[in-house]
Amino acid sequence: DTAVSQTPKYLVTQMGNDKSIKCEQNLGHDTMYWYKQDSKKFLKIMFSYNNKELIINETVPNRFSPKSPDKAHLNLHINSLELGDSAVYFCASSHNEKLFFGSGTQLSVL
Amino acid sequence: DQQVKQNSPSLSVQEGRISILNCDYTNSMFDYFLWYKKYPAEGPTFLISISSIKDKNEDGRFTVFLNKSAKHLSLHIVPSQPGDSAVYFCAASVYSSNTGKLIFGQGTTLQVKP
Repeated sequence: DTAVSQTPKYLVTQMGNDKSIKCEQNLGHDTMYWYKQDSKKFLKIMFSYNNKELIINETVPNRFSPKSPDKAHLNLHINSLELGDSAVYFCASSHNEKLFFGSGTQLSVL
Repeated sequence: DQQVKQNSPSLSVQEGRISILNCDYTNSMFDYFLWYKKYPAEGPTFLISISSIKDKNEDGRFTVFLNKSAKHLSLHIVPSQPGDSAVYFCAASVYSSNTGKLIFGQGTTLQVKP
């Protein structure tokens, strides 16, 4: 009965590969997000979708493409992975400005 | 340009004593502030929030204080318990924007010693 679930939890891959992270929420929220926690531990917003529509794109490289097939799902596809993409990626959904986070996906690019 | 800063990377307190975690912000447009708690290998979980129209909000052992003139907020945990050991993130938003975009600080690791 996990509220926000994302898979996989760990992702190890080579530079240049393409990978996807999936996210699903069962809270009935209209808005979903992707946040990135970098090596300095800052959590920064990447994207926000409201009811399948993109509403925030924080100058993220075009290699990152979010896709929302319905309001309960927000997947993140990353093309041509680079070393600097190594981070923990958190999916979240929100209600009244309160975010509910998934447990994170630790991406390691070798 | 970090709009939300937590200048103490870590804090250690004895069980039963008060824990005080601090946060500073620079953007005067922020009108809603939140604290999140994060355990290892888990996502952040919402702890407590405060609107800029208030200067204090209390929920059980947790109290958040907001000083708008100083652009400073703090989280007080009394009494501290070993289970409170975690990373605490301060976050801020412009509530009226209705985007849910939160700006986070870099976190403070709290260790509560038995």
